[in-house]
Amino acid sequence: GEDVEQSLFLSVREGDSSVINCTYTDSSSTYLYWYKQEPGAGLQLLTYIFSNMDMKQDQRLTVLLNKKDKHLSLRIADTQTGDSAIYFCAAHPLFSGGYNKLIFGAGTRLAVHP
Amino acid sequence: DGGITQSPKYLFRKEGQNVTLSCEQNLNHDAMYWYRQDPGQGLRLIYYSQIVNDFQKGDIAEGYSVSREKKESFPLTVTSAQKNPTAFYLCASNHPGDYGYTFGSGTRLTVV
Repeated sequence: GEDVEQSLFLSVREGDSSVINCTYTDSSSTYLYWYKQEPGAGLQLLTYIFSNMDMKQDQRLTVLLNKKDKHLSLRIADTQTGDSAIYFCAAHPLFSGGYNKLIFGAGTRLAVHP
Repeated sequence: DGGITQSPKYLFRKEGQNVTLSCEQNLNHDAMYWYRQDPGQGLRLIYYSQIVNDFQKGDIAEGYSVSREKKESFPLTVTSAQKNPTAFYLCASNHPGDYGYTFGSGTRLTVV
């Protein structure tokens, strides 16, 4: 079946790098996404990577994709207190039952402390 | 600016009452979605609609109903049949070929 798994919690010191990991089961996934959710708010698309890419960098964000192991990671460089949020990994299966289906992980809560 | 508007932001309901959550988008998106979010459980799909006057059940549709009479609007009714309705509800939309979904800011429903 389709599943996306993430660890639930990560704590880092301000200024350090954060690495949030995600695994997915559907090898047909064409796009993989990272969303950020601040308290009481909706989800904001941070970045995405196409399945034929290994890496994508966007300012402080680096996404790494290991398609063989179905493993995705999001690295945030120089983590700031404003990065404290829940981060969701999502996969877009190629065969999605006739609609643009995204499978979301449970979210990783990132806590940044001084 | 284009976006998705969910209202109200907070909603309180007495047990046994139906309540309707509003979701409106001006992005001209064909597809709209409703998700429920509970702590530590991520997002669960309630209903989705790919086109006006058509919608499909998601993974947890029991106790919920929707309508899609206009492209811009996809209201969700939480009925008294929903046993545990207290949650954060998120509406999303997209267009075929889009990267991911655009989300609204959510409605927190509390049953009192």
